[in-house]
Formats: sequence, C-alpha cells, structure tokens
Amino acid sequence: QKEVEQDPGPLSVPEGAIVSLNCTYSNSAFQYFMWYRQYSRKGPELLMYTYSSGNKEDGRFTAQVDKSSKYISLFIRDSQPSDSATYLCAMTVKAAGNKLTFGGGTRVLVKP
Amino acid sequence: GAGVSQSPSNKVTEKGKDVELRCDPISGHTALYWYRQSLGQGLEFLIYFQGNSAPDKSGLPSDRFSAERTGGSVSTLTIQRTQQEDSAVYLCASTQGPGLAGSYATYEQYFGPGTRLTVT
Repeated sequence: QKEVEQDPGPLSVPEGAIVSLNCTYSNSAFQYFMWYRQYSRKGPELLMYTYSSGNKEDGRFTAQVDKSSKYISLFIRDSQPSDSATYLCAMTVKAAGNKLTFGGGTRVLVKP
Repeated sequence: GAGVSQSPSNKVTEKGKDVELRCDPISGHTALYWYRQSLGQGLEFLIYFQGNSAPDKSGLPSDRFSAERTGGSVSTLTIQRTQQEDSAVYLCASTQGPGLAGSYATYEQYFGPGTRLTVT
C-alpha cells in the first residue's frame, strides 16, 4: 500500500462547479501538507500549503487537513477551464531535510 | 527571475547506454531535489542535496543511478546501463533550503519542466 493515496480520476466538472479533491495517508508523522498543480508536460507548481490540522483559504482555493483521520482535501470554487490540470498532494514530516512524499495525482477536466 | 531549467527536454536512448540529465536550480537556492514521474504516476523521490551536507540518496532505485552537485549549484543525474523501466520524466526542484521553524517557504519546491527519457 502506498504511503499517500489519491484517486487518479479523471474528474470532469462543468465550468463554475466546485472541484473536490482529496488524499489519504498512513504516516501519522506527516505535519506539512501541500497541493501542487501540474499542467501537461510541465513541472508541478505549488498551490497551497498548510501546517498540521485546519483550513486555509486562498482566493478560490481552500485546503483542509484532518490529521485525526489522515485525510486532506482541496476545494476549487467557481472552477474555470484553466483549472484543468493534474493536482498532486504532497506531504512531509519535518521542517529540515524536507523530502516530499507525493500522491499519484488526480486529473481534473473543467468543461466550458 | 529565471526558474529551474533542465536539459535536455527529451532524450531517447538505447537500452544499455548511459545518460546524463542536467538541472540548473534557481540562483541562491541551497536545496536541490531529483524526482522521477512515470506515466500516470506521482512523483517518486530520488535524491536530495542541501548545501555542503552529504546528499540524501535514499530514493535512488539502484546503483545504476547517481547524482552530483558541483559548486552548490548545477546538478547532474547519471543513469548507467539504462533499462526500459527507466523510461520516465525526471524532474528537478530547488528551494531556499531549511529556514526558521514555521517558515513555510522551505516547503515551496520550484520545479523545472523535466527531462522526458525514453529507453528503447
């Protein structure tokens, strides 16, 4: 079993809908949680990061972490066709030597 | 400023040949990472360099894989005697490196566009 599990999708939604993405993990030592967006044939780019449990909002994006359930989520409101990409969750244990452990990514398609 | 650059962007090689992949991190970034992304898969950590410290090689899949970082900047990933299962996109990332506790920027890894390696 992988350390971080993520549904590969694809997840297809109409423009303007809410996109809901999530990851589960098994290592309770993870403390820092990130979401990266990757367009086709490009490197991933950081969208959001959170430390420990709680919510964080940035524009149309909301990240949630529930450490008790080992479950993290990313919500995209008012989705746009430009949001069509693969979304990767990532997590790490500590501040220093921060190797990231990634989920497999979820492909999202927002249809106009 | 300039981002992370990688070369070549694409590499096709025959099974058994050696290949070298290059990464130029963002200027001033002290930490550099190599990842591998197979088709439809997430990123698999390979190796991590931080300043002058010994690299974390725990993710290298076999002794055919090696990497070096010269002068604390440019890094080269070498794969010897390539196999078909080595076909993947090899991604490099850099960060400013560990900072003060709570400094979130240390987790913001800036990725290059990757090198797509095909072993025939």
